Amino acid sequence: DQQVKQNSPSLSVQEGRISILNCDYTNSMFDYFLWYKKYPAEGPTFLISISSIKDKNEDGRFTVFLNKSAKHLSLHIVPSQPGDSAVYFCAASPNSGNTPLVFGKGTRLSVIA
Amino acid sequence: GAVVSQHPSWVICKSGTSVKIECRSLDFQATTMFWYRQFPKQSLMLMATSNEGSKATYEQGVEKDKFLINHASLTLSTLTVTSAHPEDSSFYICSAWSPLAGGTQETQYFGPGTRLLVL
Repeated sequence: DQQVKQNSPSLSVQEGRISILNCDYTNSMFDYFLWYKKYPAEGPTFLISISSIKDKNEDGRFTVFLNKSAKHLSLHIVPSQPGDSAVYFCAASPNSGNTPLVFGKGTRLSVIA
Repeated sequence: GAVVSQHPSWVICKSGTSVKIECRSLDFQATTMFWYRQFPKQSLMLMATSNEGSKATYEQGVEKDKFLINHASLTLSTLTVTSAHPEDSSFYICSAWSPLAGGTQETQYFGPGTRLLVL
């Protein structure tokens, strides 16, 4: 049973437009959420995070929105750039500390010039 | 951010042999290291949690006698796949965490991964 779901395996967006990547979770114990970017044959690199006490966190072109009642979060990238093309993983944890992360399957984003 | 390395980056081995994968935290001491496995088009699945100086905690369904984990120092954890079979072929990724490197989930740093192919 997948606790973190990314239902879109892929997404194509034109350069300059907004990319919206979605993530749903089922475990009410999750309190901390992170987005990672991953290139082939590399480990994930941290992008942005949000704790359940917030509903929005922004860092430059990246914004994460959390709707706790709907158990849904999304990552917005605006404007999208070709260098953003990668696989994006949503991850969740019951806290912010040394607990393992539960990952979604990832969404492959292609930004077309 | 902190750097975590893995060695080797890829390995091909014959069925029945053992393969050791190293995970090192290069510029910080990792009290906890996690080992994940990723099959094609799947998510990263946690295999085990390794705390320095103690036995690893394995996730349900992961055979501890097959996937030997050693975390003998604060900068090194090893995963040994014993008697490897083709179904063990996967991408293995470690992550390292330290309270002194920030102590938050953002400071769980991932290695670049090791691709294992068992023939």
